[in-house]
Amino acid sequence: KAGVTQTPRYLIKTRGQQVTLSCSPISGHRSVSWYQQTPGQGLQFLFEYFSETQRNKGNFPGRFSGRQFSNSRSEMNVSTLELGDSALYLCASSLATGNTGELFFGEGSRLTVL
Amino acid sequence: KQEVTQIPAALSVPEGENLVLNCSFTDSAIYNLQWFRQDPGKGLTSLLLIQSSQREQTSGRLNASLDKSSGRSTLYIAASQPGDSATYLCAVIGGSNYKLTFGKGTLLTVNP
Repeated sequence: KAGVTQTPRYLIKTRGQQVTLSCSPISGHRSVSWYQQTPGQGLQFLFEYFSETQRNKGNFPGRFSGRQFSNSRSEMNVSTLELGDSALYLCASSLATGNTGELFFGEGSRLTVL
Repeated sequence: KQEVTQIPAALSVPEGENLVLNCSFTDSAIYNLQWFRQDPGKGLTSLLLIQSSQREQTSGRLNASLDKSSGRSTLYIAASQPGDSATYLCAVIGGSNYKLTFGKGTLLTVNP
């Protein structure tokens, strides 16, 4: 059974650009959640999608957005990139919504903003 | 606002030792608590999930306990091995808003 797949694994952008990251959940999982991990702040929750609807949202500015498709694949987008957006972006999938089930994480997308 | 603290931040032990990692949280109204391990540059691997109605969960050499009233969870690792070296994170799911809050982790090094 394939795990959670995130693409791309690494990317470099410059300030002001935008970026789109992709996450394919484990087959059968309908919940996808996104997290930002930095050395200073640790892991912070961005948002969660279940059946194409955003169910929960963390405390991030509107430059961070996401969506989920009918096949449960999810994308997150960051517009007008800032240096502080450099981080490891992780997604997790789960059978249940609302973070109530066991979470399975992908390997992450490491974003560097120059 | 839920806050999750993990102590110690780093721990170094010789191979074969039994050890305990601690996780404390400020709001006891949680839905569940999950322990993860993270290897350098990698994603998180789920270790144990404890529902709020449970007191402990076991998987192999790992045992996690939960005391909601005191806002504490412990992860016990028996007979540690060098392959256990990683960062261990606990995450708490809020009982009312289902928001996930992570601790900063404990960096474990098991020396051969």
